[in-house]
Amino acid sequence: GENVEQHPSTLSVQEGDSAVIKCTYSDSASNYFPWYKQELGKRPQLIIDIRSNVGEKKDQRIAVTLNKTAKHFSLHITETQPEDSAVYFCAATPRSNDYKLSFGAGTTVTVRA
Amino acid sequence: NAGVTQTPKFQVLKTGQSMTLQCAQDMNHEYMSWYRQDPGMGLRLIHYSVGAGITDQGEVPNGYNVSRSTTEDFPLRLLSAAPSQTSVYFCASSRPGQWAYEQYFGPGTRLTVT
Repeated sequence: GENVEQHPSTLSVQEGDSAVIKCTYSDSASNYFPWYKQELGKRPQLIIDIRSNVGEKKDQRIAVTLNKTAKHFSLHITETQPEDSAVYFCAATPRSNDYKLSFGAGTTVTVRA
Repeated sequence: NAGVTQTPKFQVLKTGQSMTLQCAQDMNHEYMSWYRQDPGMGLRLIHYSVGAGITDQGEVPNGYNVSRSTTEDFPLRLLSAAPSQTSVYFCASSRPGQWAYEQYFGPGTRLTVT
């Protein structure tokens, strides 16, 4: 099955700086890579996703890049704000089964004021 | 729309007890799944369903049963609770298609087994 590794496990940044989280996956057939944000005590919510037919996607201060050759994808948050403090999870879906998500272990992001 | 709902929000069980975690969605999503979330381990798939009457095992299915008699409901049964099943449980749903789509999560059930 798919194995997703996520780094770093914790990340502390100064407000206004950028944050980058990286994930690698094992199944070269994976074709869908979502990122979820989970605030303390809340449910995970999708913030951005990318499919294997594109290399980059942006949504305001958030961007995701995908390198299919190296089998890794990254989340970039620019101009971080206190409300960006949360746990972020990457995930991947193998093409063989488009419904099963394999999640990374998560990154706890703390934005210092 | 209420989206994905789960009950109860909190539950304490004694070892050996059984119970059912309820999950319902009103978005007419065919795909539903159950995850457990443990510190430092992300979300791990327990069971999933691609439609009424169809279920399959995920990554950590032992000790859990599911059924899918309707599109809306996808209950998770703990057969004989063990302390290792102490966790936060999330139900999720999404619409199917050629590509995978966003999974919508319920609010979660925090289960403690003593």
